[in-house]
Amino acid sequence: DAKTTQPNSMESNEEEPVHLPCNHSTISGTDYIHWYRQLPSQGPEYVIHGLTSNVNNRMASLAIAEDRKSSTLILHRATLRDAAVYYCILRDYRRNSGAGSYQLTFGKGTKLSVIP
Amino acid sequence: DSGVTQTPKHLITATGQRVTLRCSPRSGDLSVYWYQQSLDQGLQFLIHYYNGEERAKGNILERFSAQQFPDLHSELNLSSLELGDSALYFCASSVGPGSYNEQFFGPGTRLTVL
Repeated sequence: DAKTTQPNSMESNEEEPVHLPCNHSTISGTDYIHWYRQLPSQGPEYVIHGLTSNVNNRMASLAIAEDRKSSTLILHRATLRDAAVYYCILRDYRRNSGAGSYQLTFGKGTKLSVIP
Repeated sequence: DSGVTQTPKHLITATGQRVTLRCSPRSGDLSVYWYQQSLDQGLQFLIHYYNGEERAKGNILERFSAQQFPDLHSELNLSSLELGDSALYFCASSVGPGSYNEQFFGPGTRLTVL
């Protein structure tokens, strides 16, 4: 899978928006951009994913650059419960049939701290 | 609650021993993935099963093995345990094998090898 680069850590004040960046300059045209997060002492949790267009769901928004070489996960109002490690992961959607690797490849992610 | 269950929650054992970790996927999910999380290696993929068949292997040691049963639950067997095998082991499930399928993770099993 293509590599992603994220800041090691970020801080946000509670109830303020948070923009978590991810660089993926070697992304291919068939890579989906996925975000997962891991709250302390829990398993990872799916947040959002997209291919080309910006995406919104109840948890967050995903803004994808026009050239797809970077993306930003947006939490509109950070809460204390959003303090977690956020992982940006690329997944090649061609690997959907036959035998192949479908696992998630986790990097170090961004540790988000939320200040009350 | 993701709907994925893992047992036991904690396991303490001695070097050289063998243990079995169990995972029940979400209802309707056919894929089960196993991941290992240690402090120095981070989250690493071990193995993937889809509808009873092994689909992919990652950094899984030869001392480790897994299987997925007809009722779709999965077991991860770890043998000849070493101190370095102490880690959190997560199971995840998804509807299908596709890379775009969201994976749902269980709460993990914390293995401590003394």
